[in-house]
Amino acid sequence: GESVGLHLPTLSVQEGDNSIINCAYSNSASDYFIWYKQESGKGPQFIIDIRSNMDKRQGQRVTVLLNKTVKHLSLQIAATQPGDSAVYFCAEFPPGGGSYIPTFGRGTSLIVHP
Amino acid sequence: EPEVTQTPSHQVTQMGQEVILRCVPISNHLYFYWYRQILGQKVEFLVSFYNNEISEKSEIFDDQFSVERPDGSNFTLKIRSTKLEDSAMYFCASKTSGRSEQYFGPGTRLTVT
Repeated sequence: GESVGLHLPTLSVQEGDNSIINCAYSNSASDYFIWYKQESGKGPQFIIDIRSNMDKRQGQRVTVLLNKTVKHLSLQIAATQPGDSAVYFCAEFPPGGGSYIPTFGRGTSLIVHP
Repeated sequence: EPEVTQTPSHQVTQMGQEVILRCVPISNHLYFYWYRQILGQKVEFLVSFYNNEISEKSEIFDDQFSVERPDGSNFTLKIRSTKLEDSAMYFCASKTSGRSEQYFGPGTRLTVT
C-alpha cells in the first residue's frame, strides 16, 4: 500500500505561533508511532511517541494526537521557536510481538521566522 | 549525554568499489540498525542486529550488503561493488530493549561516482 506521508509540504510560521504538522499513516494495524525532527545534515531525533491505545500525549511544548479512524497523526508545537525549524516526520510501527521495523514518512519542512 | 557516532561523515567512492561505514552505538544498547535516506526521500530501514546476528532486513538489504559487530563497540555496514544508486545518507541507530527510543547517529553521506 501507500507509504506514510508521501508529500513534503512546507509550513511557515512566525516565532511564537503554534504549529500543527500532519501525517497520514498507512497500516491500520500499526500500534506505535513516533515523531522525529531532522535538522539539516543531522540524523533523526526522537520528539515524542504514542501507542495506539491512546489518542493524545503531551510532552514539553509538543502534543501528539492520534486518530485511528482516519489513520492520522498530528504534532502540535506550542510557541514555535526558530530552533524548531527542521523537517518533521512520523514513523509507524507494526503490531507488537513481531517486527520493530518502522515505516517513515517523507516529512514536513517547518520554517520558523523570527 | 551519550550519543551514536559515525565515521566517516562523507565518503566518496567509485562505482564498483567496496565501502565500509562505521558506527559506534551507545555503549549499553543492545539493538543496532542501519537506515538510508536518498536525498529528498524518506528514511528507509535496511537492517536490524541483535545478539550478534541479523534480526530483520528489508528488501533493499540484498547480498551486496553485510553488517558486522567486529568488537564490543563498533557496528559496520559493508557495501560491496557500489552502484550509483547507493548514493545516500546512511544512518546508524541503537536502542536498549523493548519498544524504546532509537538513537540515531549523524549519518555518513555516501557519494558513488
